[in-house]
This record gives sequence, C-alpha cells and structure tokens, in this order.
Amino acid sequence: AAGVIQSPRHLIKEKRETATLKCYPIPRHDTVYWYQQGPGQDPQFLISFYEKMQSDKGSIPDRFSAQQFSDYHSELNMSSLELGDSALYFCASSSGGGGVSDTQYFGPGTRLTVL
Amino acid sequence: DQQVKQNSPSLSVQEGRISILNCDYTNSMFDYFLWYKKYPAEGPTFLISISSIKDKNEDGRFTVFLNKSAKHLSLHIVPSQPGDSAVYFCAARTPTGGGNKLTFGTGTQLKVEL
Repeated sequence: AAGVIQSPRHLIKEKRETATLKCYPIPRHDTVYWYQQGPGQDPQFLISFYEKMQSDKGSIPDRFSAQQFSDYHSELNMSSLELGDSALYFCASSSGGGGVSDTQYFGPGTRLTVL
Repeated sequence: DQQVKQNSPSLSVQEGRISILNCDYTNSMFDYFLWYKKYPAEGPTFLISISSIKDKNEDGRFTVFLNKSAKHLSLHIVPSQPGDSAVYFCAARTPTGGGNKLTFGTGTQLKVEL
C-alpha cells in the first residue's frame, strides 16, 4: 500500500539559510500534519491542514510557514535556520477530516541538520 | 508541561512473554489514544488505537487497555517477538475539528530478548 512520502530524506543547511521540506500524503487523504522531533525528544506538533486550509497550529516558530496544495501535498518552509532547528521532521496524513477514526499515518521523516 | 507520560524509558522482556507498556495522561480533553512503534531512522508506525469511550481494544497480539478514571492506558503484546524490539510511543489526540493534533509521550524502548 502507498505510504506517506517525504523529501528530501536528509538535508544539511548552514545557519540563516532556508529549507523546504515536502510531504506527499497517502492517496485520498485530505489532512496533513507536521511534527518536529528533536534529539531524545518526543515528536512535537507543528501545524496541520485539512482540505488545503490550516486546521490547527502548534509550537511552530514564526520563521516557519507551511501550506497544502491543490493536489494535497504539503510543504514546510523554514527560513533563517538556527542550530536548534536540527531535528527529524515528520509528516503524517489522514483521511478522517477530524472524525473519530481519523488515524494519522507517518512518513519516514526528513532529517535536517543545521551547521 | 508533559501531558502524556511514559515513565519507563526502557523495558526488556523474553521472547514469548508478555510486554506491558504504560502511559499516563493529564488532559481529560483527549478523545482518542494511539500507540505507535518506531524503528531508528523511520517514521512512527501505527499499531492500535482506542476511543476514550472504550476500555479495551484488541488486534492480534496487541491489546490496549484504557482506565479513564486513572487517566492511564497500557499496551499489552502477547507473545512478544524479537521483531517487536523498537521504541513505542503513546499518543493522545485533541479534537480540533478538521484536524486532530497528537501529543506524544517520551517513548519506551522495548527490547525482546531470545
């Protein structure tokens, strides 16, 4: 079965640079979530989109922005990168639109390293 | 403020025995609880979930129990297999309408020994 696709899998950037992470949800999934997992930490919710509209916002820095496109893929844009942004970034998708059985399925993650 | 807690960072069990992973939460607004399994360098893999209106859900070797009054849930794996060795995250869902964010616990590293 098709899974969530994230690209790139690994990304190395310098401080103050910009990065764009992409997420392609499971076909027919309409909701996308972004999570950040720092070293030794649990995944932290950043932001979510349902039907191309932002549906919820978590601890996402103002330097970050995201959107969901008409084909339901999503991009997380990160500017003025800081060393502390080094983390694993997971994208998840679901089809429930917030319903009771709205299970989130995760992609393999993008490992961002800021030097 | 850690709203979902997994107090055991690691657990070691013998193959064939039962593995019990525990999770406590503080927010009574959570409406759904999920368990994910995670291998290094991979994303979390969904295992099993339970609605807050249920007290038990079973799927093959995996059973999740929810004690809502104690704000406690547990995942039972019977029998445990070496391939079960991974980090297990408990996650709780906050309903927001159109998108439900998950709050994760800190994870428990399960090691199933031969």
